[in-house]
Amino acid sequence: AQRVTQPEKLLSVFKGAPVELKCNYSYSGSPELFWYVQYSRQRLQLLLRHISRESIKGFTADLNKGETSFHLKKPFAQEEDSAMYYCALVYPSVVGGYNKLIFGAGTRLAVHP
Amino acid sequence: NAGVTQTPKFQVLKTGQSMTLQCAQDMNHNSMYWYRQDPGMGLRLIYYSASEGTTDKGEVPNGYNVSRLNKREFSLRLESAAPSQTSVYFCASSHMGGAGELFFGEGSRLTVL
Repeated sequence: AQRVTQPEKLLSVFKGAPVELKCNYSYSGSPELFWYVQYSRQRLQLLLRHISRESIKGFTADLNKGETSFHLKKPFAQEEDSAMYYCALVYPSVVGGYNKLIFGAGTRLAVHP
Repeated sequence: NAGVTQTPKFQVLKTGQSMTLQCAQDMNHNSMYWYRQDPGMGLRLIYYSASEGTTDKGEVPNGYNVSRLNKREFSLRLESAAPSQTSVYFCASSHMGGAGELFFGEGSRLTVL
């Protein structure tokens, strides 16, 4: 079955320290993976997707098919990065030919001054 | 620029009562989703609607029903609420079914006593 695992519920770092939020997935096909972020009192929103290979707000994520991972990294954390981060996987639905999106349990990042 | 609008934002129910969560989007999106968010479990897909006139079960559909009233609106109904349905519910929409970028509502916090 398809699954997204985020092993850390909470990641606590100091400002300026490197950050790595872990995400592992289970899917036999070719995965499409995303990172979503939820800042305090804001809606859940897309941070980045692996297809675009972009860097958003200093964050990057590389798909490692061998390790089935899609870890989110930032070299120097900022206080405004404090938020809940969700890794997500898209896979085809059996019915209708459409895709489903499932999320990991989320990791709360706390960046301290 | 409302995006995805959910009502109500808060609701308290007694066990066995029924209620409907309403969701509307003004982005002309084809696909709409209902998720529930629980501590330590992340977001779990309840139902989704790939396009107007279609609905499909997600990971945790038991105890819920949905209606895709038209392209804009997708409602979630609890026929006989149970304490296990205490959660925060999120509606989301996307242009293409599972294209990855979901646009979320602000959430509806439901407590079942």
